[in-house]
Amino acid sequence: QKEVEQDPGPLSVPEGAIVSLNCTYSNSAFQYFMWYRQYSRKGPELLMYTYSSGNKEDGRFTAQVDKSSKYISLFIRDSQPSDSATYLCAMKASKIIFGSGTRLSIRP
Amino acid sequence: GAGVSQSPSNKVTEKGKDVELRCDPISGHTALYWYRQSLGQGLEFLIYFQGNSAPDKSGLPSDRFSAERTGGSVSTLTIQRTQQEDSAVYLCASSLERGTYEQYFGPGTRLTVT
Repeated sequence: QKEVEQDPGPLSVPEGAIVSLNCTYSNSAFQYFMWYRQYSRKGPELLMYTYSSGNKEDGRFTAQVDKSSKYISLFIRDSQPSDSATYLCAMKASKIIFGSGTRLSIRP
Repeated sequence: GAGVSQSPSNKVTEKGKDVELRCDPISGHTALYWYRQSLGQGLEFLIYFQGNSAPDKSGLPSDRFSAERTGGSVSTLTIQRTQQEDSAVYLCASSLERGTYEQYFGPGTRLTVT
């Protein structure tokens, strides 16, 4: 079993929809939970991070961490075609472990 | 300022040949990572450098893979006797220090072994 599991998609939604991206994990030592966004032919870039449990909001993006269920989510409100990318969750204890990424496509 | 740069952006090589991939990290970043990204496999950790400490080579898949970092800055990943399964995007990232959660990635080198 991988330490971090992420549905690879692809996920296709119409513009303006709410998007929910999720990851599960097995290592209870993870303390930092991150979401990276990767556009085609580019390297990943940090989108959001959360320390321990709880929610964090940044504009149209909300990150949630539920440590009791070992489950993290990224919500995108009012999705735009420019949000089309691969989203990778990442988690850190002593080192960072990345999920496999979910490919998201927003249809105009 | 300048971000992480990698060269070449694309590399096509014949099976059995050696290849060298280069990474220029952000100036002042002491930590440097190499990852491999294959379709649907996520980011596979290869090797990590932190300052003058011995590198963490725990992710290197075989002894055909090696890396060095000269002067605490530029790094080179070398793959000897390339195999078709080595075809992937090789990403380099740097960060200010080991403990940080944020890594800055380069655009990657797309390696194709024919």
